[in-house]
Amino acid sequence: SQELEQSPQSLIVQEGKNLTINCTSSKTLYGLYWYKQKYGEGLIFLMMLQKGGEEKSHEKITAKLDEKKQQSSLHITASQPSHAGIYLCGAPPGPGTASKLTFGTGTRLQVTL
Amino acid sequence: DSGVTQTPKHLITATGQRVTLRCSPRSGDLSVYWYQQSLDQGLQFLIQYYNGEERAKGNILERFSAQQFPDLHSELNLSSLELGDSALYFCASTLNPGQDGELFFGEGSRLTVL
Repeated sequence: SQELEQSPQSLIVQEGKNLTINCTSSKTLYGLYWYKQKYGEGLIFLMMLQKGGEEKSHEKITAKLDEKKQQSSLHITASQPSHAGIYLCGAPPGPGTASKLTFGTGTRLQVTL
Repeated sequence: DSGVTQTPKHLITATGQRVTLRCSPRSGDLSVYWYQQSLDQGLQFLIQYYNGEERAKGNILERFSAQQFPDLHSELNLSSLELGDSALYFCASTLNPGQDGELFFGEGSRLTVL
């Protein structure tokens, strides 16, 4: 079965600093989803990457997919307290499907003032 | 607001009991997924339904069962509860699982088994 490992497991950054979260898969990636979860709440969709080399940005968050390395990264520029939460990457089992996402272990982000 | 509604938000019960968690998917979404999130296991896929029929199974225990009704809402039944079943249970929905797209998650039902 596929496993997704996220690093770091937790991160504390000062407001205004940049940060990167990595998600590495044990198997071929057929796409990669990034979600954010506020503590004890539901998951909020951030971005979906479908092709190797694809890069997407939304506000101050950029995600990239490196199929060869079976890895994705999420980069936050000029972090803000609103970015705090748990970031989860999820991967589908095959191409062209959003079903049965396998999720990573999560990265807990704290942003200090 | 994702449009996915889960009830109850919180539930406290005792070992050996049975509970039912309910999910209303986003309007128009045919596929419903159940996930369990615990501290030690992370977010784990349990089961998927599509238009009333079971489509895929994940790490779902035999003590757990689910169904999707004609109006597309879904229920997850947990029986003979154990302490280890304490977790956050999420429901998610999507229109067509055969296509790439976002899974919309509800806010979860937090189950505490004492």
